[in-house]
Amino acid sequence: DIVMTQSPDSLAVSLGERATINCKSSQSLLYSSYNKNYLAWYQQKPGQPPKLLIYWASTRGSGVPDRFSGSGSGTDFTLTISSLQAEDVAVYYCQQYYSSWYTFGQGTKLEIK
Amino acid sequence: EVQLVESGGGLVLPGGSLRLSCAASGFTFSAYWMSWVRQAPGKGLEWVANIKQDGSEIHYVDSVKGRFTISRDNVKDSLYLQMNSLRAEDTAAYYCATNLKYQAVGAFDIWGQGTMVTVSS
Repeated sequence: DIVMTQSPDSLAVSLGERATINCKSSQSLLYSSYNKNYLAWYQQKPGQPPKLLIYWASTRGSGVPDRFSGSGSGTDFTLTISSLQAEDVAVYYCQQYYSSWYTFGQGTKLEIK
Repeated sequence: EVQLVESGGGLVLPGGSLRLSCAASGFTFSAYWMSWVRQAPGKGLEWVANIKQDGSEIHYVDSVKGRFTISRDNVKDSLYLQMNSLRAEDTAAYYCATNLKYQAVGAFDIWGQGTMVTVSS
């Protein structure tokens, strides 16, 4: 199985500041034939199902604010929130879909400092 | 409106069985891979199983292999998860999920609200 490891486990950032969450996979998620990284990012707020933010490692989902961005390739990925808003308080997960046995990272809890 | 609605959760004794259902509407159900994802209380997300459009390809996470069976009925636009030999560690909210918009099978843009399964004596 592909193991996904996020860092940090929790993060406190001031409003308007940048938040950065890292995700590392145990094997490359880059499918070279398509030049795509099979990596997604989700946001989950209490009592709600997850919401897809980013797919193909760097493509924002429809309606996702442009303060959210994804980067990275191969085994190392980053989710960046450029200017933290109060409504961004949530748990964030990365997930690989390179293998048909999908796996998620353990989650990163983002709070306001 | 695109919608996934899970049902069938509840309280069950260890070793017991439950069958979860997920009713799809607002899209051509038969055209998409479908998955079950679970989340234990206060814990992270765990993908459980997926099934190809015609049911010809199925995968499970190791912890449920041999105990859970995923299936679908493309006439009834429904996804199922038959759960047998349930254990306390299967206690979780179970979500059905799929990808409709982005041709990125496995990046779930559509989720149900979940159904809670509690395994306890």
